[in-house]
Amino acid sequence: KAGVTQTPRYLIKTRGQQVTLSCSPISGHRSVSWYQQTPGQGLQFLFEYFSETQRNKGNFPGRFSGRQFSNSRSEMNVSTLELGDSALYLCASSVSGETEAFFGQGTRLTVV
Amino acid sequence: SQKIEQNSEALNIQEGKTATLTCNYTNYSPAYLQWYRQDPGRGPVFLLLIRENEKEKRKERLKVTFDTTLKQSLFHITASQPADSATYLCALDRGGGADGLTFGKGTHLIIQP
Repeated sequence: KAGVTQTPRYLIKTRGQQVTLSCSPISGHRSVSWYQQTPGQGLQFLFEYFSETQRNKGNFPGRFSGRQFSNSRSEMNVSTLELGDSALYLCASSVSGETEAFFGQGTRLTVV
Repeated sequence: SQKIEQNSEALNIQEGKTATLTCNYTNYSPAYLQWYRQDPGRGPVFLLLIRENEKEKRKERLKVTFDTTLKQSLFHITASQPADSATYLCALDRGGGADGLTFGKGTHLIIQP
């Protein structure tokens, strides 16, 4: 059974640019959540999608957005990048959002 | 909002001993509490899930307890091995898909041979 796949693994962007990250969940999983991980703040919840609808949202500015497609694949977009957006972005899939989560390897975003 | 406290300092344990990690939380009692392992540069890996009406859960050398009165979970690794060295994260879920998982900052466990 294939795991959660995130692309790209590494990304370097310039301040002010925008970026799109992709996540393919485990087959059969309908819930996809996104998290930001930094050394100072740890893992913080960004948002969760279930059956193409955003079900929950964390405390992040509107520059952070996402969507989910009918095949459960999800994308996360960050516009007008800031230096503080440099982080490891993790995607997790689960069957329903109320069971164990399976994480991808993450996308390491560096904003310069 | 929910606050989770895990030992911020590294925990050094001798190989073969039992490692015990602590997760304390404030505010609401979660419907679920989960433990994850994270190695450097990799995503967290799920280990155990325990529900609010369960006191204890075991899986091979791992054991989790959940005390909703103390607002605390303990995570035990028995017969620890150097390969168990990693950061262990505690995560709470309110249930009903409310807020996603709220993670602690993790405890870095080092098993010394």
